[in-house]
Amino acid sequence: KAGVTQTPRYLIKTRGQQVTLSCSPISGHRSVSWYQQTPGQGLQFLFEYFSETQRNKGNFPGRFSGRQFSNSRSEMNVSTLELGDSALYLCASSFGGRRTDTQYFGPGTRLTVL
Amino acid sequence: EDQVTQSPEALRLQEGESSSLNCSYTVSGLRGLFWYRQDPGKGPEFLFTLYSAGEEKEKERLKATLTKKESFLHITAPKPEDSATYLCAVQANSGYALNFGKGTSLLVTP
Repeated sequence: KAGVTQTPRYLIKTRGQQVTLSCSPISGHRSVSWYQQTPGQGLQFLFEYFSETQRNKGNFPGRFSGRQFSNSRSEMNVSTLELGDSALYLCASSFGGRRTDTQYFGPGTRLTVL
Repeated sequence: EDQVTQSPEALRLQEGESSSLNCSYTVSGLRGLFWYRQDPGKGPEFLFTLYSAGEEKEKERLKATLTKKESFLHITAPKPEDSATYLCAVQANSGYALNFGKGTSLLVTP
């Protein structure tokens, strides 16, 4: 069974640009969550989508946005990039049902903002 | 506010030297507590989910336990390939987000 895939794996951008990251969940999973990982803050929750609807949102500015498509694939967008946005962006998928189910992570996209 | 604190931040063990990692948490209604392992440059790899106090789960040299305030990850006779960062996360009844601790970086030397 294929795992969570993320593209691209590495990205270099300059301040003020925008970026779009993509995530394909495990087949059958309908929930996709996004996390930002930095050395100082660790893993922080950005948002979660289920059946194309955002169900949860973390404490990040509006420059961070996302969406989910009917095939459960998800994208996240960061506009007006800042140096502090340099991080590993991780996507996780799960079935998304009411009972706690496991979130499986992809390999991440390493974003560097210059 | 939900909080997760892991200790120690870093741990160095000799091969075969057993030890425990700690995860203390406060959450308004625990839906589940998760343990992940993360290797450098990779995404977290799922290890265990614990749902209620008193629950225990085992996998090879790892055993996770849960009380109402903390969880322990016991590593028995570790090998160098167990070297990684171990992450603890809680999920509250109020949502689906995982709230992570900062992790414990484990190094096992031959």
